[in-house]
Amino acid sequence: DAKTTQPNSMESNEEEPVHLPCNHSTISGTDYIHWYRQLPSQGPEYVIHGLTSNVNNRMASLAIAEDRKSSTLILHRATLRDAAVYYCLDSGGGADGLTFGKGTHLIIQP
Amino acid sequence: GAGVSQSPRYKVAKRGQDVALRCDPISGHVSLFWYQQALGQGPEFLTYFQNEAQLDKSGLPSDRFFAERPEGSVSTLKIQRTQQEDSAVYLCASSPRPRTVNYEQYFGPGTRLTVT
Repeated sequence: DAKTTQPNSMESNEEEPVHLPCNHSTISGTDYIHWYRQLPSQGPEYVIHGLTSNVNNRMASLAIAEDRKSSTLILHRATLRDAAVYYCLDSGGGADGLTFGKGTHLIIQP
Repeated sequence: GAGVSQSPRYKVAKRGQDVALRCDPISGHVSLFWYQQALGQGPEFLTYFQNEAQLDKSGLPSDRFFAERPEGSVSTLKIQRTQQEDSAVYLCASSPRPRTVNYEQYFGPGTRLTVT
């Protein structure tokens, strides 16, 4: 079973920032937090990952709470191409594969 | 550059037939993963290879599922005596490092299998 909790869907307007939340209720100290997204009819695409500190890359920013029980993926200026299902995951020792939940379906309105 | 490719993209099989799904990972990637994604669900892990060694097959749902990566590059997922519940998208992912839970995985487009 998935170890993370996300809203089923969120809606935002084009060119506005989007904050996608995730709860990591069972995360352990060595687990990394990952975000992937999946566009329609495509395989998942890596977005960002981190351990404790906030992270930035060309796609997004990742804000990690101090207790690491929650994280937020930030898309600074959403475009229509950002409409996708966004998955947050935490993973560490043990399983070699990633454990996906159902994700958040992000809808972008023009 | 070339990403992960999978073939065929779509496969229709009659119940009881055997199928073989191919994955071409990114060249030089050590790790290769197979996932199964049912409609409306997130991907579920099936099996993991580090080079040619299958180190984890804990996610394979039954002994009808078999995967191989004999030369540490191309991988094949075989499903024998297909059942309707096998209908899903089968995703392959690769990664440049071993035991890559902390590194990004690069996914292919998937093979959509429909068992009739």
